[in-house]
Amino acid sequence: DIVMTQSPESLTVSLGERATINCKSSQNVFDTYMNQEYLAWYQQKPGQPPKVLIYWASTRESGVPDRFSGSGSGTDFTLTISSVQHEDVAVYYCQQYRSVPCSFGQGTKLEIK
Amino acid sequence: EVQLVESGGGLVQPGGSLRLSCAASGFTFSDHYMDWVRQAPGRGLEWVGRTKNKASFYITEYAASVKGRFTISRDDSKKSMFLQMNSLKAEDTAVYYCGCWIRGHPYWGQGTLVTVSS
Repeated sequence: DIVMTQSPESLTVSLGERATINCKSSQNVFDTYMNQEYLAWYQQKPGQPPKVLIYWASTRESGVPDRFSGSGSGTDFTLTISSVQHEDVAVYYCQQYRSVPCSFGQGTKLEIK
Repeated sequence: EVQLVESGGGLVQPGGSLRLSCAASGFTFSDHYMDWVRQAPGRGLEWVGRTKNKASFYITEYAASVKGRFTISRDDSKKSMFLQMNSLKAEDTAVYYCGCWIRGHPYWGQGTLVTVSS
């Protein structure tokens, strides 16, 4: 099974500052058939379902602000929020969907300083 | 627009059974893999299982934590997926989400709450 490890567990940044969340997979999540990294990022606010931010490691979901970006390849991935806003306070998860079980990271809680 | 609507959650006693449903619309249901994911109160997301499409012989796969107790099925004619949960335990208490993958893009429903308690 692929294990996903996120860091940090929690993150406090000032309004307008950059936030960086890392996700490391225990195995490569690149799919040679689709030529894509099978890695998604989600945002979850209290009482709400997870919201898709990024899929295929770097493709931004329609309607997601461009301050959110995903990068990385192989086993190391990053979600970057270029200028954190109040509405970005949430828990963020990565998920690999290269192989079952389609494992999630443990989550990173983002707060505003 | 892709829509996934879960139903069937509720309160059940330990050792009991419950059947969840997921109604899909906005895409060609029969073409795509469908997943269940759950989230226990205050915890992270856990992948539960998958049903593949007809082209992949409707193969089902499960997390180790539910294998042998949970069964996933689908009815392509009704654009629906089901999760039959037997021998429920307190640790199965969670919000259950159904999801689908369309060309690598994940979609998730709003979830349904299952509470296992006496």
